[in-house]
Amino acid sequence: DGGITQSPKYLFRKEGQNVTLSCEQNLNHDAMYWYRQDPGQGLRLIYYSQIVNDFQKGDIAEGYSVSREKKESFPLTVTSAQKNPTAFYLCASSTTGGVNQPQHFGDGTRLSIL
Amino acid sequence: AQSVTQLDSHVSVSEGTPVLLRCNYSSSYSPSLFWYVQHPNKGLQLLLKYTSAATLVKGINGFEAEFKKSETSFHLTKPSAHMSDAAEYFCVVTLPQSSKLIFGAGTRLAVHP
Repeated sequence: DGGITQSPKYLFRKEGQNVTLSCEQNLNHDAMYWYRQDPGQGLRLIYYSQIVNDFQKGDIAEGYSVSREKKESFPLTVTSAQKNPTAFYLCASSTTGGVNQPQHFGDGTRLSIL
Repeated sequence: AQSVTQLDSHVSVSEGTPVLLRCNYSSSYSPSLFWYVQHPNKGLQLLLKYTSAATLVKGINGFEAEFKKSETSFHLTKPSAHMSDAAEYFCVVTLPQSSKLIFGAGTRLAVHP
């Protein structure tokens, strides 16, 4: 079955540590996205990529970094500069640059501070 | 600027009664609109989408939504709630000619026996 796989499901970060969240899709989608979800809030866009080797900052990119070396993969690194990283992180993808298209979501990674 | 307002943060219904989740949007252009559902600790699943075709859109699991341009609304309805419908629902609008989505804050639906 085609879909989006996020791993790990739960992740814990120590102070001063960088952590990387994995996102892999086998839907052959061009566009991929990372969102942050906090309780009682909608999703906020961190980074997105419409094509391999290119990505753009979203609304809350500070303290995060991404890469897009392969079409299937869009890992997100939460750096030590992100002072409030505890949240639910969702990865999504969509077709052909994603213009006016719905996005397909993974099951998320829950990140907590130790 | 594009924005989405979900008018109720929580809605509670009895099983077998109708569901109404309200969404108003603001857009300078003809928008594309979506409703997504999220069950606890899961990703979002697309329920339905409006992309300037029929104004009454049918989705999965018996849900439907009507696009009303004069009221700038896109309310989600279902004739009869099931216990499995208990989840959080998000109304979403796209920026014009963009892949970026703008999410509402969500409505949590509780279904009681």
